Amino acid sequence: DAGVIQSPRHEVTEMGQEVTLRCKPISGHNSLFWYRQTMMRGLELLIYFNNNVPIDDSGMPEDRFSAKMPNASFSTLKIQPSEPRDSAVYFCASSLGRAINQPQHFGDGTRLSIL
Amino acid sequence: RKEVEQDPGPFNVPEGATVAFNCTYSNSASQSFFWYRQDCRKEPKLLMSVYSSGNEDGRFTAQLNRASQYISLLIRDSKLSDSATYLCVVYNSNSGYALNFGKGTSLLVTP
Repeated sequence: DAGVIQSPRHEVTEMGQEVTLRCKPISGHNSLFWYRQTMMRGLELLIYFNNNVPIDDSGMPEDRFSAKMPNASFSTLKIQPSEPRDSAVYFCASSLGRAINQPQHFGDGTRLSIL
Repeated sequence: RKEVEQDPGPFNVPEGATVAFNCTYSNSASQSFFWYRQDCRKEPKLLMSVYSSGNEDGRFTAQLNRASQYISLLIRDSKLSDSATYLCVVYNSNSGYALNFGKGTSLLVTP
């Protein structure tokens, strides 16, 4: 079975540019999570979708970040305009049902560097 | 105070040793607990859930102490392949549906 698929694996771009990260959850999973990981702050939840609906976006750092889930098999995380402090590894994860009961399956991550 | 705290390590142990990590959590209403493993430059993967009565999976034993608000992970007979970062994860309904991840404890098992 295919796991969570993220693209691109690496992204290097100049500050001010728009960045779009993509995620395909595991088929049949109805919960999708976007995380950001840095050495300083560890793994932070940015936003959580359930059945394609954003449930909790309190972790989204500011208006420059936006996320969408137009259907059950695709989600995007967009940063515009990007800043050097956005450099991090961004993970997408999916789970079947609520996190309390089900393990989260993570994608390989996107390593983002903003110059 | 952070919701989940871990000693970052690194813990350097020889192959075959027993090593234990603790993780403290601040919210007494926390309901579920997990250990995830993350290899260098890889994604986190669920290692095991932590049950109130404690649970064991092969060489790995997880314990929960609600009174003192900590969970532990014990690894017996360490293997080189156990080298990784171990993330403590806590869930409580006050956080919505979010899992709260610790920053992780780094383990290096040496020959």
